[in-house]
Amino acid sequence: DVKVTQSSRYLVKRTGEKVFLECVQDMDHENMFWYRQDPGLGLRLIYFSYDVKMKEKGDIPEGYSVSREKKERFSLILESASTNQTSMYLCASSPFGGLTEAFFGQGTRLTVV
Amino acid sequence: SQQGEEDPQALSIQEGENATMNCSYKTSINNLQWYRQNSGRGLVHLILIRSNEREKHSGRLRVTLDTSKKSSSLLITASRAADTASYFCATPGYSTLTFGKGTMLLVSP
Repeated sequence: DVKVTQSSRYLVKRTGEKVFLECVQDMDHENMFWYRQDPGLGLRLIYFSYDVKMKEKGDIPEGYSVSREKKERFSLILESASTNQTSMYLCASSPFGGLTEAFFGQGTRLTVV
Repeated sequence: SQQGEEDPQALSIQEGENATMNCSYKTSINNLQWYRQNSGRGLVHLILIRSNEREKHSGRLRVTLDTSKKSSSLLITASRAADTASYFCATPGYSTLTFGKGTMLLVSP
């Protein structure tokens, strides 16, 4: 079974902190994604990566950066956390982008206070 | 950018009834996918239908795709309380998937 693991289920951080959300997949997938999910807004794509060290902005990249140093790991970084970044963050991976199914982690509910 | 839009936003039914949710999208697609999300969890893939398919079944799920109307439907037959979840359609973009806002399904015992 494909497994996508996010480092934390729940996280509470202070405004201005630098926050790292980690995601690891074990199926050698080329593509990895970070989405955020907010009530009434659905899932919105923050960043995605189609190869090691490659990254592309999604629909809402402002305030975020990403890192993909190894194929299995894709990190989302909040450079200076703000209260409007309180959200559910979902990591996913897939072998062929949108052409095949995506596998999701369990989600990280981040609260910025 | 939201490609797919699910309808209705929320649906409440009794166990044993069928549940139908719809998805409309804007541009031509290679495939359309449906996902389920239990409360506070990640999404789980249910079914993928390709643009040259009109209907696909998986257990109690039936998905249809009408490319001329740019719409898809997900039918869950003989619903169970465990089917209570949010359901999302997703369409492929440039190396990514774009999700709708979802339909929240409540199945009461």
